[in-house]
Amino acid sequence: ETGVTQSPTHLIKTRGQQVTLRCSSQSGHNTVSWYQQALGQGPQFIFQYYREEENGRGNFPPRFSGLQFPNYSSELNVNALELDDSALYLCASSSLAGQYNEQFFGPGTRLTVL
Amino acid sequence: RKEVEQDPGPFNVPEGATVAFNCTYSNSASQSFFWYRQDCRKEPKLLMSVYSSGNEDGRFTAQLNRASQYISLLIRDSKLSDSATYLCVVSSPTGRRALTFGSGTRLQVQP
Repeated sequence: ETGVTQSPTHLIKTRGQQVTLRCSSQSGHNTVSWYQQALGQGPQFIFQYYREEENGRGNFPPRFSGLQFPNYSSELNVNALELDDSALYLCASSSLAGQYNEQFFGPGTRLTVL
Repeated sequence: RKEVEQDPGPFNVPEGATVAFNCTYSNSASQSFFWYRQDCRKEPKLLMSVYSSGNEDGRFTAQLNRASQYISLLIRDSKLSDSATYLCVVSSPTGRRALTFGSGTRLQVQP
């Protein structure tokens, strides 16, 4: 069974730039959720994708957007980067058919905005 | 008020000790409950799902009190390898079932 993978592992960008982060879900999972984790905090929900549609969104501005592909992999795009966007970005895969909604995380992408 | 509240710690305990973490959540309609473990600069890993009747997995016991909106995790016979941040997590009641995390409790087990 293949686990959740993310790329790249690290990224450095400057304010105002755009970034795309990628995630491959665990085999058998059809749902991908994205989270942002700032230093010293728990992860915060950004949005979730199910069947290639956004299936719910947290309290993040529209410059955070995403996609899900037919193979259930996903992208997170962030436009007009701000210094506060520096964080660990985590992707989690799950199956909405699961009773308890257990989500399994990839290793994350550490984004630094200068 | 935060949706999920945890004591940030750190909890410094000797090897072999028993340690308990507590967590409260604000949304009474929350459906699922979990403890995740996160090592420094790594991703959160699912430690246990928390069932209504409480559940045990080896040295770890989780309890849920829906009336008080309270979740606990007990670790018996602590090992050095238990040193990590423990995240209390609840799943929202809506269809998307997004996870809401507490800020985590740091545990340091000392020799």
